[in-house]
Amino acid sequence: QQQVKQSPQSLIVQKGGISIINCAYENTAFDYFPWYQQFPGKGPALLIAIRPDVSEKKEGRFTISFNKSAKQFSLHIMDSQPGDSATYFCAAEAGSGNTGKLIFGQGTTLQVKP
Amino acid sequence: NAGVMQNPRHLVRRRGQEARLRCSPMKGHSHVYWYRQLPEEGLKFMVYLQKENIIDESGMPKERFSAEFPKEGPSILRIQQVVRGDSAAYFCASSPQIGNQPQHFGDGTRLSIL
Repeated sequence: QQQVKQSPQSLIVQKGGISIINCAYENTAFDYFPWYQQFPGKGPALLIAIRPDVSEKKEGRFTISFNKSAKQFSLHIMDSQPGDSATYFCAAEAGSGNTGKLIFGQGTTLQVKP
Repeated sequence: NAGVMQNPRHLVRRRGQEARLRCSPMKGHSHVYWYRQLPEEGLKFMVYLQKENIIDESGMPKERFSAEFPKEGPSILRIQQVVRGDSAAYFCASSPQIGNQPQHFGDGTRLSIL
């Protein structure tokens, strides 16, 4: 119930293409869903986050789509660039639990080919 | 505007020694979280602390691991009598408030056990 399942494990996209990463969860108490980007040797950096009261949130080339009934959410990277090559993690938090504990997906390694 | 600072960046210990990992949260942040990342895996929550209090340690191993966040100074994650399985990257994050708030991560401490 506490798991967040992420797919695919790895992804190769051509420059200018769209990268799509999917996540699914079971715990309906989750009410905050951030995405993080991590480069080798660095800590995760927050990209974008969504709450379940909206179905989509866009920031620049990054869009989160959220399907509350299916308990799924996804990250879309438009016009993917080689600089986007990194590992991406989805996460979920049950805010009402009042602990701030983030449950992370297993990660997706994205490679954008020039 | 310094981010979350972790030190050391790399730490090598022999089996049976103690490891001390330090984390200074972002200025104005009083909530600290520790996560562990094993190779090729996502981050796993370990513990959440506020100043002088452990709020949620549900992810901490029952033995050998402890954490503190004193009134003055950084948060410390202490691992006693380290074993090979403790080799991992340990990340600290901080947030200004609790509940559905962005968590900002440091660049981690890579712990290697010989």
